[in-house]
Amino acid sequence: AQKITQTQPGMFVQEKEAVTLDCTYDTSDPSYGLFWYKQPSSGEMIFLIYQGSYDQQNATEGRYSLNFQKARKSANLVISASQLGDSAMYFCAMREADMYSGGGADGLTFGKGTHLIIQP
Amino acid sequence: NAGVTQTPKFQVLKTGQSMTLQCAQDMNHEYMSWYRQDPGMGLRLIHYSVGAGITDQGEVPNGYNVSRSTTEDFPLRLLSAAPSQTSVYFCASGSGGQETQYFGPGTRLLVL
Repeated sequence: AQKITQTQPGMFVQEKEAVTLDCTYDTSDPSYGLFWYKQPSSGEMIFLIYQGSYDQQNATEGRYSLNFQKARKSANLVISASQLGDSAMYFCAMREADMYSGGGADGLTFGKGTHLIIQP
Repeated sequence: NAGVTQTPKFQVLKTGQSMTLQCAQDMNHEYMSWYRQDPGMGLRLIHYSVGAGITDQGEVPNGYNVSRSTTEDFPLRLLSAAPSQTSVYFCASGSGGQETQYFGPGTRLLVL
């Protein structure tokens, strides 16, 4: 079974609209972290936002917010007021193990990504 | 800080050749890892290290070797390249308990 599922292979959105990119995850570990990365056409992986499983509030970073619904095991990325420069691949990833005690040694598990295209 | 650097940026190999992909970081991170990215896929973990002298396998380790003699460097070796290893390779680093893994710019490898 996939640990990270991104159900939207591609999305077209009008500029200035808000965007929600879906991500569901599967883990039995009580301690985990959820990440979103952006990969523009140039290829680099850009960290956007992080949510820890014990965090009480949804994470926000500028125009990015993470809609964390723990009981539903979902961690959707919300981009407010989309811009043309937001066009890229977006990957949801999970890191299991106890990060709060310095663990988390086994890397990230990634979803297959969502290709977001912002139209003018 | 240069962050995470990778060399080369692009490499073409013939089947059976060996090579080493270099990765270095200057952030004094304990954790380093290697991923590969294939078309239509997310990144998949090859090998990782929790500190100098300690390495372990990830999801897709076959055909690759790693070692970690210093905190800064984490090279990835292809012992006998195969066309199935054509991919983009990313190195990443992070601190224990830290929220973020920082990625290098990637190495694009083509095996003919």
